[in-house]
Order: sequence, then C-alpha cells, then structure tokens
Amino acid sequence: QKEVEQNSGPLSVPEGAIASLNCTYSDRVSQSFFWYRQYSGKSPELIMSIYSNGDKEDGRFTAQLNKASQYVSLLIRDSQPSDSATYLCAVNYPNTGNQFYFGTGTSLTVIP
Amino acid sequence: NAGVTQTPKFRILKIGQSMTLQCTQDMNHNYMYWYRQDPGMGLKLIYYSVGAGITDKGEVPNGYNVSRSTTEDFPLRLELAAPSQTSVYFCASSPRGTGNTIYFGEGSWLTVV
Repeated sequence: QKEVEQNSGPLSVPEGAIASLNCTYSDRVSQSFFWYRQYSGKSPELIMSIYSNGDKEDGRFTAQLNKASQYVSLLIRDSQPSDSATYLCAVNYPNTGNQFYFGTGTSLTVIP
Repeated sequence: NAGVTQTPKFRILKIGQSMTLQCTQDMNHNYMYWYRQDPGMGLKLIYYSVGAGITDKGEVPNGYNVSRSTTEDFPLRLELAAPSQTSVYFCASSPRGTGNTIYFGEGSWLTVV
C-alpha cells in the first residue's frame, strides 16, 4: 500500500511568517517527491521537486527530504496572502508505470 | 502553449447515463493519467497509460474505462453514471524518465443527479 500522509489543517499563519507543511510516505522505494499548490477551483501546479536528502531552496520556498525517516516538508518564508491555497505532497513510483500518489493536502491561510 | 486539454469543463449527468471525458496533450509525453478529486480530498488515480496501446488500473478504476490509441489522446469513459462519480476529474501527463513532474489539465467538473 502506497500511503502519502499530510496534516489536512487548516493551517493559519500571519503575513510575513514561516509556514511549515509536512508529508510522510510509506514506501521506501520512492525516489522523487513533489509539492504542488492548488487554488480553489484550479488544477494543481508544481512548486518544488526534490530527489536527494537535505534541503532544496527556490526563492521563498524550501523543500526538505529525509529518506531515512520517510518524510518531506515544505517551508514557505515571508508568507504572503497569495500563498493561501491547498498544498499537495506527491510521491513518484517509477517502477509502477511512473505513478504519482498524492496526499490529501494541507489548507494554508495567510492572514494579512 | 496548449499543454493538457480536457473537455468538457462542466457536465451534469443523470444516473445511468454514459459519457466520455476527452483529454489530449501536445507535449509528446509517454505517460498519461486520469485522477479524480473529491471535495477536501487528495487526488486518486483512476487509470494510467505508459504509452499508446497500453493502459492499466490505478487506485479507483471501478465504473470507468480508458483507451490510448495515440500518444496524444487518453479519453475516460464513464459507464452507467452513479452519484458516487460526482467529482472533479483531472487528466495529466508526464514525460519519460525518472523524476519528471506531472502536468495537469484544467479539470472537468462532473455532477451525477
């Protein structure tokens, strides 16, 4: 069973604060991990991908991966009201037809 | 840039009716997928395809069928629609190669009454 778990929230942070989103996965075979942002009524859009243990930074976003503990996280620095959305964690299983499994998402609200 | 195109965007079906959700991509991607997303839930994989002529079931295939006659097209067929199939459907594609991301269409909102 390929499980991807996220805290559904909602998570509320004040503008300018750091938002921390977490995700755990069940299958150690996983090699590729993704964070998507989904605004209400829209399709998911890619924010970050990460493949190696450690941190990966892209602007205000930092993805962190710990394969030994089977978790991946996303930090959003200097949070803006426009960051208010649902954040989906996705795990790729290349040996199963390149399937992507998604968590249920964490709803983030940034309060002005 | 068209990317992944889905039609229709909205549809209301009566119980027992059938319909096809169309999906086409112009990025020459090998992999294509159909997901459904229920309110407040994540994306559940219905069917996927690794190339033309090859399809396989995902997590929630019951009540659906797919075909992949060309690289570009991956239609999803709903037979005998049921209220439980009320959902948002996303078609997606991904290029060959480990670690490549998945690109989504804009979604199709389906209501079965």
